[in-house]
Amino acid sequence: SYVLTQPPSVSVAPGKTARITCGGNNIGSKSVHWYQQKPGQAPVLVISYDSDRPSGIPERFSGSNSGNTATLTISRVEAGDEADYYCQVWDTSSDHQEDVFGTGTKVTVL
Amino acid sequence: QITLKESGPTLVRPTQTLTLTCTFSGFSLSTSGVGVGWIRQPPGKALEWLTLIYWDDDKRYSPSLKSRLTITKDTSKNQVVLRMTNMDPVDTATYYCAHRSRSWWNYWGQGTLVTVSS
Repeated sequence: SYVLTQPPSVSVAPGKTARITCGGNNIGSKSVHWYQQKPGQAPVLVISYDSDRPSGIPERFSGSNSGNTATLTISRVEAGDEADYYCQVWDTSSDHQEDVFGTGTKVTVL
Repeated sequence: QITLKESGPTLVRPTQTLTLTCTFSGFSLSTSGVGVGWIRQPPGKALEWLTLIYWDDDKRYSPSLKSRLTITKDTSKNQVVLRMTNMDPVDTATYYCAHRSRSWWNYWGQGTLVTVSS
């Protein structure tokens, strides 16, 4: 089945930029969605279709997707951005369709 | 306003069958394009997709768990039910139901922690 690999952790100082990668075979041909999950809470969609921001998500959150890597970028990082982040794709490349989540990245604001 | 809420047992014994109910409001599962599914998360671990049912009763299952899962819907009650057979301690997790839009999950329930232990 399809595998999405993320770095376990990313550390960033307040006001700086955090980049979270999501690696997968030819992921650039798929639509990638990103979720933010704070401790004890359900995930929240922050990016859909590679780079679309849902209503209410700050412009500081952006996404890109090309080749074998999708990237979630958080600009001007704030303390409130500290959370786990997951990428997700709907894989139709095999004979069955399945949802796949990435391994997750913990973002720590220094 | 779309809301979803999971309900069911918090403790199940090994080999038992888990039945969870997702009760939702703010949308109809008879509307074209809409889906509801289940995702779980073991303590301290990543999200894992389990299953999905669409408005037209089309169903999708995780290949690795397909033999143990059943998803059904009751449109009149605004409910989706997950059944998972032969529960094992490794199935201990928070189980979320969520609203599916196109290929992403845009609304989630609060989750329910299910512990599998004798």
